[in-house]
Amino acid sequence: GAVVSQHPSRVICKSGTSVKIECRSLDFQATTMFWYRQFPKQSLMLMATSNEGSKATYEQGVEKDKFLINHASLTLSTLTVTSAHPEDSSFYICSARVAGIRPTSDSGANVLTFGAGSRLTVL
Amino acid sequence: QKEVEQDPGPLSVPEGAIVSLNCTYSNSAFQYFMWYRQYSRKGPELLMYTYSSGNKEDGRFTAQVDKSSKYISLFIRDSQPSDSATYLCAMSAGEGGSEKLVFGKGTKLTVNP
Repeated sequence: GAVVSQHPSRVICKSGTSVKIECRSLDFQATTMFWYRQFPKQSLMLMATSNEGSKATYEQGVEKDKFLINHASLTLSTLTVTSAHPEDSSFYICSARVAGIRPTSDSGANVLTFGAGSRLTVL
Repeated sequence: QKEVEQDPGPLSVPEGAIVSLNCTYSNSAFQYFMWYRQYSRKGPELLMYTYSSGNKEDGRFTAQVDKSSKYISLFIRDSQPSDSATYLCAMSAGEGGSEKLVFGKGTKLTVNP
């Protein structure tokens, strides 16, 4: 089945530094990837939708200059947290949609796969 | 009112019990309903997917959707310790259900041996 690999799984950095998180689709091509953020005991909040070859679409309230998203190929999207601060500490999860498969009422869910997540701690 | 409401629990049951997890929602445009299981420090894993109203069964899991009441449920029969995880409901109005999923907060379930 479709596998999404996310790296690193855990990262600790100093305040003011930038951190890059990679999301790769291992055995399929992903035209669309989604980046989520999850705080403890909270639901996943969609941050942005990343489309291959075009600019990401950010959700309201998400700073695009803070969270840089690049989807340069059909198998890789990256999220860069720039000038990270302690309040950026969170669990970041990507998901990918399989290219070329049009979801149906029964198979729609088959085309969205989540990565294992990346836990960012900013000191 | 939040778009999706889910009781965070925690919920603790003995092995073999029937577990009922629920979510309510306010957006009548939602048509695609999903349940995800998330183990600690891991990404969500799809369990069940339902389009529109009705029931869907897969092994020990049954998903129910009542669009008239804006209420969805996940039932787990013969619960096992390996079912211990956080269960997230998710829903979408978009075609195919993969766009802009709106998640509940998740219910933490512990199944005690």
